[in-house]
Amino acid sequence: KAGVTQTPRYLIKTRGQQVTLSCSPISGHRSVSWYQQTPGQGLQFLFEYFSETQRNKGNFPGRFSGRQFSNSRSEMNVSTLELGDSALYLCASSLLGLTDNEQFFGPGTRLTVL
Amino acid sequence: AQSVSQHNHHVILSEAASLELGCNYSYGGTVNLFWYVQYPGQHLQLLLKYFSGDPLVKGIKGFEAEFIKSKFSFNLRKPSVQWSDTAEYFCAVNPLNQAGTALIFGKGTTLSVSS
Repeated sequence: KAGVTQTPRYLIKTRGQQVTLSCSPISGHRSVSWYQQTPGQGLQFLFEYFSETQRNKGNFPGRFSGRQFSNSRSEMNVSTLELGDSALYLCASSLLGLTDNEQFFGPGTRLTVL
Repeated sequence: AQSVSQHNHHVILSEAASLELGCNYSYGGTVNLFWYVQYPGQHLQLLLKYFSGDPLVKGIKGFEAEFIKSKFSFNLRKPSVQWSDTAEYFCAVNPLNQAGTALIFGKGTTLSVSS
């Protein structure tokens, strides 16, 4: 079956703009999590959605937001982009969002902010 | 704050050498523990996990890890590495007092294996 897909794969924006990233989980998976990966900070948890509800949120400013649709697809939005937002944004899905469910990661969206 | 420390940033080994990558976490409660691997050009994928029971867990490709609760450690081992093990390895923790599956990752260890 198809894995987690993320679009777009690459994105270049300028400071002050906003961006929306999309994640399609594995078919049947209901939990979607987002992570930011940078060389300096590593992988950091952004938020998790389950059944269209945000279940947990990491320590990121309010400029970072997300949502999940009824088909489990998820989007994350970053407003007023800053240079430091340049990163690889990873999405992960799991079947029921239980702690013993394996999380499957997508290839990521590489965001560059100029 | 909860954190995960991976002792080695970059490890260089020859084929057939033994591997041990250190991982320590700072969290007093019950946790689930994971090792993920990212091969060059590929997605993050699960190598192995520990939830409960036998503290020695076996994963894919001959990897194993030992959970030592008293040391808050979850070290990854492989008796004999291969060139194809060249990758970045991440230790991760899921504290069970929080809702959901959020993972706290270590900074990662890059393993380079020469043939």
